Amino acid sequence: DQQVKQNSPSLSVQEGRISILNCDYTNSMFDYFLWYKKYPAEGPTFLISISSIKDKNEDGRFTVFLNKSAKHLSLHIVPSQPGDSAVYFCAASKAGRRALTFGSGTRLQVQP
Amino acid sequence: GAGVSQSPSNKVTEKGKDVELRCDPISGHTALYWYRQRLGQGLEFLIYFQGNSAPDKSGLPSDRFSAERTGESVSTLTIQRTQQEDSAVYLCASSPQTGSAGNTIYFGEGSWLTVV
Repeated sequence: DQQVKQNSPSLSVQEGRISILNCDYTNSMFDYFLWYKKYPAEGPTFLISISSIKDKNEDGRFTVFLNKSAKHLSLHIVPSQPGDSAVYFCAASKAGRRALTFGSGTRLQVQP
Repeated sequence: GAGVSQSPSNKVTEKGKDVELRCDPISGHTALYWYRQRLGQGLEFLIYFQGNSAPDKSGLPSDRFSAERTGESVSTLTIQRTQQEDSAVYLCASSPQTGSAGNTIYFGEGSWLTVV
């Protein structure tokens, strides 16, 4: 039972354009969401997060949107750069439980 | 060190042997996690330690897997009688104690285990 789903295994965009990575979840108890970026042969690194009390959080080129009614969040990268090419994982946690549930990841390829 | 340190970085073992994977969390971080990622799959939660509380072992896939943590420092993940399906990268992560539900965690580079 996959509680966090990233239905697109891969995404390719042109440099300078917007990248939109999507994530859906099924558990309404999740109240905190994070995005991680992972390069080959490295551990994931934290990118951006959002609490369920918000619907948007922005950090430079990265913005995360949360739609609680749809149980959907998305990561927008504008403008996309070749160095953004990596696998992006969506993760969620429940209040009082720190373990994260991860999606299966989306591989982003930014074409120069 | 500045980040989460894991060893060994690579391990090849024969089926049926036991392996130990080590994690040194970031100094001062009270929470420590083990995850694994098998080829083509997402990150899978294994176990979580928080201070002196009982660990959350709900993600351990079988009784061949166990983990220990000494105080708020080093942790060891042990896999007994390894099987080929145990082949994966095992990721350790740590996070500081926070009073809120938010928990940004920091990952090590992983220990790549291959069971042949």
